[in-house]
Amino acid sequence: LAKTTQPISMDSYEGQEVNITCSHNNIATNDYITWYQQFPSQGPRFIIQGYKTKVTNEVASLFIPADRKSSTLSLPRVSLSDTAVYYCLVGDEAAGNKLTFGGGTRVLVKP
Amino acid sequence: DAGVIQSPRHEVTEMGQEVTLRCKPISGHNSLFWYRQTMMRGLELLIYFNNNVPIDDSGMPEDRFSAKMPNASFSTLKIQPSEPRDSAVYFCASSPRSGQVTDTQYFGPGTRLTVL
Repeated sequence: LAKTTQPISMDSYEGQEVNITCSHNNIATNDYITWYQQFPSQGPRFIIQGYKTKVTNEVASLFIPADRKSSTLSLPRVSLSDTAVYYCLVGDEAAGNKLTFGGGTRVLVKP
Repeated sequence: DAGVIQSPRHEVTEMGQEVTLRCKPISGHNSLFWYRQTMMRGLELLIYFNNNVPIDDSGMPEDRFSAKMPNASFSTLKIQPSEPRDSAVYFCASSPRSGQVTDTQYFGPGTRLTVL
């Protein structure tokens, strides 16, 4: 399974853009990159997924460089409710739908 | 859509007792996953099923843990006998298709288990 590395925590302020970079040096050709968000006392929730270049949805953007050895989740204009743990995962095609969650990045948005 | 349903939401039991956690996946989903989350170990995948068949149980900590999926709408995770180190939040998740790495997993609210 491809291993991911991401910062343990980040602080930000309301209205700012938050960028979380995840390293996955051993990503395989068929692997996709997926980000989940987890609020306290809740299960993780899917945010965004991509394979290469840039993906954008109503919640976030995901930037993936050509070598795919890293990816950056961008949260535009965060609010207090974006305080959560964000997980970067790399799917293992050989393992089917199995996902391995790392430690995640704890994002604290301050007023 | 009711989402993934788990019961009970909270369980407090004494060491040595049997514990059964229950999960109802989203209707029409073919894959079901059981996770355990603790402060020390984070979120760990215990076992997952495709079309009611266990595919990978390598994350199950030991023989005290067992999981079943008798039909497409119900799964159980059983711990017997329970130990204090089993205290954690247990999540169930489901996804639409079988064996597709790109599929989104939908998580339930979790069961917080405390073993005294």
